[in-house]
Amino acid sequence: ETGVTQTPRHLVMGMTNKKSLKCEQHLGHNAMYWYKQSAKKPLELMFVYSLEERVENNSVPSRFSPECPNSSHLFLHLHTLQPEDSALYLCASSPGPGADTQYFGPGTRLTVL
Amino acid sequence: AQTVTQSQPEMSVQEAETVTLSCTYDTSESDYYLFWYKQPPSRQMILVIRQEAYKQQNATENRFSVNFQKAAKSFSLKISDSQLGDAAMYFCAYRRREYGNKLVFGAGTILRVKS
Repeated sequence: ETGVTQTPRHLVMGMTNKKSLKCEQHLGHNAMYWYKQSAKKPLELMFVYSLEERVENNSVPSRFSPECPNSSHLFLHLHTLQPEDSALYLCASSPGPGADTQYFGPGTRLTVL
Repeated sequence: AQTVTQSQPEMSVQEAETVTLSCTYDTSESDYYLFWYKQPPSRQMILVIRQEAYKQQNATENRFSVNFQKAAKSFSLKISDSQLGDAAMYFCAYRRREYGNKLVFGAGTILRVKS
């Protein structure tokens, strides 16, 4: 048990839908991350938040919108996605943005029809 | 830019035997961290072992050990006494020490354990 939970675990949505992914960490960490894992590609960092402030945004399309209301919660709002956005979305947390080890949640398997 | 390469898409090992997974990386930094993460079918990424680049001693965690060759930029993972529960995708990852928000991952190696 790593203390990082994600909901939902599976999500199927149409291209016109709006949905949100949720991540919660129970470790008292100050930094949270969103990663995308596509088939046959390395994990890609999408966003980094430190103390609720976005510190990194790796050229992610605007159809992905992150939100970090507090240091324990991280959301990824999705709208007008494309089929190529289908992937496993992993959330992670660490004690701080410079901490060496990140702790991952179980991921949300997203399918865009 | 830093890159991490895992040249073995898939490996197999007999239960109780030893297997080594390869990883090379490219960086101009001298101070950084290296990691091996395990991703079982449950899809959760689990930290297996970490190595600090300024430490010459190879990290070990029970049956897991690394062979860190800084000059060669090589970071292999050795799993001894392989168990069925070791079957998973293994990712090598790099993080710069300073201002290092970003973990850079390799493409992964699928490890199959035969009984």
